[in-house]
Amino acid sequence: SQTIHQWPATLVQPVGSPLSLECTVEGTSNPNLYWYRQAAGRGLQLLFYSVGIGQISSEVPQNLSASRPQDRQFILSSKKLLLSDSGFYLCAWSVGLRYQPQHFGDGTRLSIL
Amino acid sequence: TQLLEQSPQFLSIQEGENLTVYCNSSSVFSSLQWYRQEPGEGPVLLVTVVTGGEVKKLKRLTFQFGDARKDSSLHITAAQPGDTGLYLCAGANAGNMLTFGGGTRLMVKP
Repeated sequence: SQTIHQWPATLVQPVGSPLSLECTVEGTSNPNLYWYRQAAGRGLQLLFYSVGIGQISSEVPQNLSASRPQDRQFILSSKKLLLSDSGFYLCAWSVGLRYQPQHFGDGTRLSIL
Repeated sequence: TQLLEQSPQFLSIQEGENLTVYCNSSSVFSSLQWYRQEPGEGPVLLVTVVTGGEVKKLKRLTFQFGDARKDSSLHITAAQPGDTGLYLCAGANAGNMLTFGGGTRLMVKP
């Protein structure tokens, strides 16, 4: 069966520090991978998605970047965090077929001080 | 840009009551998915509706996709405290990219 792992679960970082959030998927090959940010109790905003190794599409201009160094690894990074980067970050995967759902990790709660 | 408006934003009801959550858009979607999310966890898929006018039932939950595939509703019959959570609708385009609604936070009081 397929599983998705996201870490860390919570993170407190000072303004201006770097960021690296990691997401890995097991049990499937060549998944589509996604990074979302969610405001408290609200919907999800798509940040990045990837259909293959090294292929990253950005949905919104921001202080963040994403990379996919391996087929089932997706990394969200920043060189210098801003206060506005605080939020709940979710990684998800799907197969590239129509009508297939996205499967989410348990998220990372990021607090910037 | 496709937008999905979800209403109501918050809903607090007593156990046993019925409720309906709406998801509306001016855009046509190839499919519409409903997710439920618990605090501190990722969303979990409840159902996918694909055909205009389609109705799917999942125990006490009834999901409907509008005839024009622009809107959807979730109806819960005899709500239970275990139904408490954040309900999210998400419209999929031809490339299977999802546009999420703003969510409905449901609280069912015993």
